[in-house]
Amino acid sequence: EAGVVQSPRYKIIEKKQPVAFWCNPISGHNTLYWYRQNLGQGPELLIRYENEEAVDDSQLPKDRFSAERLKGVDSTLKIQPAELGDSAVYLCASSPVSGPNTGELFFGEGSRLTVL
Amino acid sequence: GQNIDQPTEMTATEGAIVQINCTYQTSGFNGLFWYQQHAGEAPTFLSYNVLDGLEEKGRFSSFLSRSKGYSYLLLKELQMKDSASYLCAVRSTMNNNAGNMLTFGGGTRLMVKP
Repeated sequence: EAGVVQSPRYKIIEKKQPVAFWCNPISGHNTLYWYRQNLGQGPELLIRYENEEAVDDSQLPKDRFSAERLKGVDSTLKIQPAELGDSAVYLCASSPVSGPNTGELFFGEGSRLTVL
Repeated sequence: GQNIDQPTEMTATEGAIVQINCTYQTSGFNGLFWYQQHAGEAPTFLSYNVLDGLEEKGRFSSFLSRSKGYSYLLLKELQMKDSASYLCAVRSTMNNNAGNMLTFGGGTRLMVKP
């Protein structure tokens, strides 16, 4: 079974430039998460989708970050314009069911962003 | 809100036993996860506790006390490959019943020395 796929693995951009990350979750997983992980810290939730609906985006900096999950499968996370503080690893994860019996999260390898 | 605390770093010797503690404060507690993350790699699932007690899985065990807001991950017969970060994560039910959210602690970086 294929895991969560993310691209690109690495991205280096100059500040004020736009950047986009793509995630393909495990087939059949309804719930999709975007996390941001700074060096030496734990992942912080940016947004959570149930199918195509964003059910928790309270931690997403909406002035520069946007996300979408068209057709409830693949998702993209965009930053425009990027700032120096956005340098981090952006992790996508999926899980099969939401609700009281939600299971473990399956993570992709992440997209490492460096903003110069 | 939620607050999850775990030590930043720990060092242990190959073949030994190490215990990584995690304390949490949350409303609507609905389970605690431990993940392992090697440098530059994705977190991978280790264990899950929702009821009090010890869950054992090979060399790894995880304990939960809901009344104390406390969990630990126990690693036995340490191997060099166990050098990694160990993330404690708490699942809680959302106030609007829109599902569950998983919040991670800062992680504990474990270094296993020969």
